[in-house]
Amino acid sequence: DSGVTQTPKHLITATGQRVTLRCSPRSGDLSVYWYQQSLDQGLQFLIQYYNGEERAKGNILERFSAQQFPDLHSELNLSSLELGDSALYFCASSGALGETQYFGPGTRLLVL
Amino acid sequence: GENVEQHPSTLSVQEGDSAVIKCTYSDSASNYFPWYKQELGKRPQLIIDIRSNVGEKKDQRIAVTLNKTAKHFSLHITETQPEDSAVYFCAATPFYGQNFVFGPGTRLSVLP
Repeated sequence: DSGVTQTPKHLITATGQRVTLRCSPRSGDLSVYWYQQSLDQGLQFLIQYYNGEERAKGNILERFSAQQFPDLHSELNLSSLELGDSALYFCASSGALGETQYFGPGTRLLVL
Repeated sequence: GENVEQHPSTLSVQEGDSAVIKCTYSDSASNYFPWYKQELGKRPQLIIDIRSNVGEKKDQRIAVTLNKTAKHFSLHITETQPEDSAVYFCAATPFYGQNFVFGPGTRLSVLP
């Protein structure tokens, strides 16, 4: 157990819908990262937050957005969902020095 | 920005043999290089990491070597076991929490 939690574990929804994925970082970690992993693919970096502020942006679609709250948990919002958005979404956290990233168990999203 | 390449994409070895996975990076500012192991359907887990001021690091059957001049680093697994079968990702990042750039992954199969 990495200490990073993600909810929900599984999510099934329909095209055009909107969902919110939640991540709680390890105690004391200020950085949160979001990744998308499609079937048999690598880890695609989406976005990073550090202490509530957006720090870096990867290949995140305009339909996707994220935020980090004062208690440091983060949410990833996915809207106007398409079939191709079906994937495993991982959250990771790291400490103030931002080195080792610890991954949560992921949320498996299925868009029908 | 940083670009990380990883080879081979798939690797099959006999149980007890050694496995080597190599990554190259492009940004000379990168100075932290972690390796993650991801079993099917599970989270990536850190198995070993190395910083740029060190040439080699070992942890039991796993070792990582770094050649800063050539900008490549390698994962070495000795006496492979079936439970080593997984996808392995390398990553590179400069210090202080810049987002990781992951390699595309290597699927290692250890045949009994």
